[in-house]
Amino acid sequence: GDSVTQMEGPVTLSEEAFLTINCTYTATGYPSLFWYVQYPGEGLQLLLKATKADDKGSNKGFEATYRKETTSFHLEKGSVQVSDSAVYFCALRLSGGYQKVTFGTGTKLQVIP
Amino acid sequence: NAGVTQTPKFQVLKTGQSMTLQCAQDMNHEYMSWYRQDPGMGLRLIHYSVGAGITDQGEVPNGYNVSRSTTEDFPLRLLSAAPSQTSVYFCASSYGGDSVYEQYFGPGTRLTVT
Repeated sequence: GDSVTQMEGPVTLSEEAFLTINCTYTATGYPSLFWYVQYPGEGLQLLLKATKADDKGSNKGFEATYRKETTSFHLEKGSVQVSDSAVYFCALRLSGGYQKVTFGTGTKLQVIP
Repeated sequence: NAGVTQTPKFQVLKTGQSMTLQCAQDMNHEYMSWYRQDPGMGLRLIHYSVGAGITDQGEVPNGYNVSRSTTEDFPLRLLSAAPSQTSVYFCASSYGGDSVYEQYFGPGTRLTVT
């Protein structure tokens, strides 16, 4: 079946450090890929997405590139802020009617001043 | 636009009690889903709906019922609560069709079963 594997957390970084959260996937078809972010006490919200190979999703300084050859969608940010502290979920979804979203287990990021 | 709303935010039940978690969206989305979030397990799909009157099971449907009488509302019923149902529950909605659309999530309901 489909699956998403992302790096274990928690990840602790100092403010202005470079962030990478690794994500790899397996899928039976050609998925769209997503990063969702969950701030404490809130629901998930979409951070960025990519729908085909070599697409780069970006938002709020975060970026991720859809790499079909390595089945990866790593999340990066050049300079993290304390306000980026949250849990980040990598996810995939296939097209064609209703398809469930397959989520990774989440990576908790803590940014310290 | 309120987006996706869920009530209640917190609930404590005793084993064997029943209750309904409410979910509503005002974006005219066709697809709605219920997930549970447990530590170290990501989100798991409980039930979903592709339109009013149409529902289906997800990965972990046992112990839960759903119905969808309107486009806006998608309540989740716990028939006889068990401690294993202690979790955070999220409702989500999205546009339907063959294209892949992002899901919009509600703020969640934190349920504790004692």
